[in-house]
Amino acid sequence: DAGVIQSPRHEVTEMGQEVTLRCKPISGHDYLFWYRQTMMRGLELLIYFNNNVPIDDSGMPEDRFSAKMPNASFSTLKIQPSEPRDSAVYFCASSLGLAGGDEQFFGPGTRLTVL
Amino acid sequence: QKEVEQNSGPLSVPEGAIASLNCTYSDRGSQSFFWYRQYSGKSPELIMFIYSNGDKEDGRFTAQLNKASQYVSLLIRDSQPSDSATYLCAVRGYNKLIFGAGTRLAVHP
Repeated sequence: DAGVIQSPRHEVTEMGQEVTLRCKPISGHDYLFWYRQTMMRGLELLIYFNNNVPIDDSGMPEDRFSAKMPNASFSTLKIQPSEPRDSAVYFCASSLGLAGGDEQFFGPGTRLTVL
Repeated sequence: QKEVEQNSGPLSVPEGAIASLNCTYSDRGSQSFFWYRQYSGKSPELIMFIYSNGDKEDGRFTAQLNKASQYVSLLIRDSQPSDSATYLCAVRGYNKLIFGAGTRLAVHP
């Protein structure tokens, strides 16, 4: 398996523009997670899905952020409009379940820079 | 108080020494505890998890859990320069992983 795939790997955009990040989870994994990592706040969970259904979006910072999972093999995280404070590395992760030792496998991340 | 706390480091140890990384958590109901390693510019990767009090060993790595003290640690024996990375402690609570800020480990030859 190729692991979790994310695109793009790097994104540079200007304030106010729409940004869409993409993720393909590992086949057969029922859970998909979106994280954001910054120096100041560390690794934060934004939202997670179970069988394509959003379960917990309490970590989504504000209405400018939205996430979808139209099918088991694809998810998007959208920021509209983007702001400089959204600059971070965004990771997508997937897992088989949420049981004790179920490992979350992380994608390579998308480094977002908003100018 | 942060939910998961780690000393940011850097923790500097000589090659061949034991590196000891520590983590405390606030939610007494937490059941599962994870250690991830993250190399600079890379994504986190799982080293090991533990959910029972005591020690769990995997090669050069030993995780230690003390639920009464709400304390998790990771010992790395025979540290190698390739172990130089940031180590993230994560605690599973309410079906979510809560990550600490990470401890940067530097192993020098």
